Amino acid sequence: EAEVAQSPRYKITEKSQAVAFWCDPISGHATLYWYRQILGQGPELLVQFQDESVVDDSQLPKDRFSAERLKGVDSTLKIQPAELGDSAMYLCASSLLTGLSYEQYFGPGTRLTVT
Amino acid sequence: EDQVTQSPEALRLQEGESSSLNCSYTVSGLRGLFWYRQDPGKGPEFLFTLYSAGEEKEKERLKATLTKKESFLHITAPKPEDSATYLCAANAGNNRKLIWGLGTSLAVNP
Repeated sequence: EAEVAQSPRYKITEKSQAVAFWCDPISGHATLYWYRQILGQGPELLVQFQDESVVDDSQLPKDRFSAERLKGVDSTLKIQPAELGDSAMYLCASSLLTGLSYEQYFGPGTRLTVT
Repeated sequence: EDQVTQSPEALRLQEGESSSLNCSYTVSGLRGLFWYRQDPGKGPEFLFTLYSAGEEKEKERLKATLTKKESFLHITAPKPEDSATYLCAANAGNNRKLIWGLGTSLAVNP
C-alpha cells in the first residue's frame, strides 16, 4: 500500500538553530500539504502545493519558515531560526486532484522539540 | 466564519459499549466531510468521506453519517484497539483546504 514518507521521525534542536523536514508523497499525488499539530489540537495548514506551485501559504510564518517542492514531487520544510514555540508535530499529506476524491493521506509526522 | 466543533472532547467506554461521536459544522457550501483516526505520535489515518446529507459509510465497527448540520461517527461494540483520537474536517472551498475540529479522544477499556 502506497504511503507518504517523512523524515526524520524525531528531531531535537536548540533554539536559533536551523532544522529541515523532508516529505515524499504518494506517487501520482499532485497536491502536497504541510501541517503543524500541537498536542490536543487539529492540524493547522502551513502550506499547500499544487505540483511545484504554492497554492496557499497564508499561515506560514515566512520570516522563519520556508517550503519548496522543486520538481513537483518531494518537498522540504525548513525553519531558521527555530524558536521554543515551534515544538510540535509536523505532518505532511498528499492528495489526488481528480473529481471529488481528494482525501488527504498523511505521513507519520516529524516530532520537533526545540530546547 | 467556517467552523467545525467536535463533542465530547473525551469519551471512555467499556469494551462492547456502543456510542457516537459528534461533529457539528458551520461552513458555506460543504464539499466534503472527512473523518480521520489518529493514534498517539502518528499521523491521521483516513477513514471516511461524506459528501451529501443522508449519506452513510461503514468500515468494520465504525459507521459515519451526515446531516445538513452535523456528522456522527457511530462505534458499535468497540474493542480496546479502537482507542484513539477521532478527528473530523470539513472542506468548503475550491482550494481543498480543510477546517479541522479538535478531535474526540476515545478510550475503550477491556
